[in-house]
Amino acid sequence: NAGVTQTPKFQVLKTGQSMTLQCAQDMNHEYMSWYRQDPGMGLRLIHYSVGAGITDQGEVPNGYNVSRSTTEDFPLRLLSAAPSQTSVYFCASSYHGQNYGYTFGSGTRLTVV
Amino acid sequence: SQQGEEDPQALSIQEGENATMNCSYKTSINNLQWYRQNSGRGLVHLILIRSNEREKHSGRLRVTLDTSKKSSSLLITASRAADTASYFCATDKGNMLTFGGGTRLMVKP
Repeated sequence: NAGVTQTPKFQVLKTGQSMTLQCAQDMNHEYMSWYRQDPGMGLRLIHYSVGAGITDQGEVPNGYNVSRSTTEDFPLRLLSAAPSQTSVYFCASSYHGQNYGYTFGSGTRLTVV
Repeated sequence: SQQGEEDPQALSIQEGENATMNCSYKTSINNLQWYRQNSGRGLVHLILIRSNEREKHSGRLRVTLDTSKKSSSLLITASRAADTASYFCATDKGNMLTFGGGTRLMVKP
């Protein structure tokens, strides 16, 4: 099993550019989510999805869009990149419902200049 | 805002010693989870304790949960250099897993 796969691993964007961070899982998990991690801090939830066609906002959703057309994929779109979005982004998946741990991808390190 | 807060923020011990990390949270939860993050890597799930459980063990890990005090602790016994990492607690309220700021553990050989 590949688990949770994130691409790209590194990306540099100019302010105002848009891009999509890819996330795919092969565990048939219903639940998928995106987090950002800033230096010395924990993770903050951006968006999540409990199944195909269903998405919802987390703690810090502004400037990001998501969609969930399949169970496997959950891309995160940056609409107009800003320096404040410089961060490490993690995708995670889990079985939906209580009492399941999350499986995390290895992260995408994004720098906006 | 972060639901969980870890204490201490940093911990340095010698190999073979025990390491204890604490986590406090603010609201009711379904469960509390602990994760490990090695430098530059993703998070790895260590252990989950349900709100109706008080203690759980997994190998060298022991987790306690006190819902009346809204706190949890993670004990790593007989630490190894390979345990050097950041450790995060996360509270699950259903659909949203909220992380604390983490404890950076260094285990010196």
